[in-house]
Amino acid sequence: EAGVTQFPSHSVIEKGQTVTLRCDPISGHDNLYWYRRVMGKEIKFLLHFVKESKQDESGMPNNRFLAERTGGTYSTLKVQPAELEDSGVYFCASSQGRNNEKLFFGSGTQLSVL
Amino acid sequence: AQSVTQPDIHITVSEGASLELRCNYSYGATPYLFWYVQSPGQGLQLLLKYFSGDTLVQGIKGFEAEFKRSQSSFNLRKPSVHWSDAAEYFCAVGDGGAGNKLTFGGGTRVLVKP
Repeated sequence: EAGVTQFPSHSVIEKGQTVTLRCDPISGHDNLYWYRRVMGKEIKFLLHFVKESKQDESGMPNNRFLAERTGGTYSTLKVQPAELEDSGVYFCASSQGRNNEKLFFGSGTQLSVL
Repeated sequence: AQSVTQPDIHITVSEGASLELRCNYSYGATPYLFWYVQSPGQGLQLLLKYFSGDTLVQGIKGFEAEFKRSQSSFNLRKPSVHWSDAAEYFCAVGDGGAGNKLTFGGGTRVLVKP
């Protein structure tokens, strides 16, 4: 069984540019989550999809971040325009259920904004 | 608001020695507690979780954790460390019935000496 896959594994962009991160959850998992770890800080929740609907986006930092999950399969997280403080590791996770079901994490996308 | 503290940023342990990682949480109700491990280049992997019942929880890879409500702690232990245990370990608290929205501690990086 394939795990949670994230693309790209690394991205280096300049301030002001746009970057799109992609996450392919485990097949059949309706719940998809985005988390972020900024350098030296904790891993923080960004948002939660149930199928194609945003269930909770309380962790999204600001309106430069846009997450989508068209068709309830893969998800994208776009940062436009990117700022220096957006640098960090972006993790995607998926689960079958939503209440403390086992979360399966991807290996993350390391984003560096210069 | 819930929070998790991992007091030790780095720990160095000799192979074969015992390991204990500290975790303290702040949560208003009965906590849902987790330990995750991230090996280099990998995603976060669930080691164990506590929801209720026996306060000593067994996990994968020979790890165990003990929930102590009076101390608001959920420390992770392993009796004999292997070189492959070198990784970063994260304690997290779940949001009860509101889905897999986790609050993470800052992580503890474990280095294993031969």
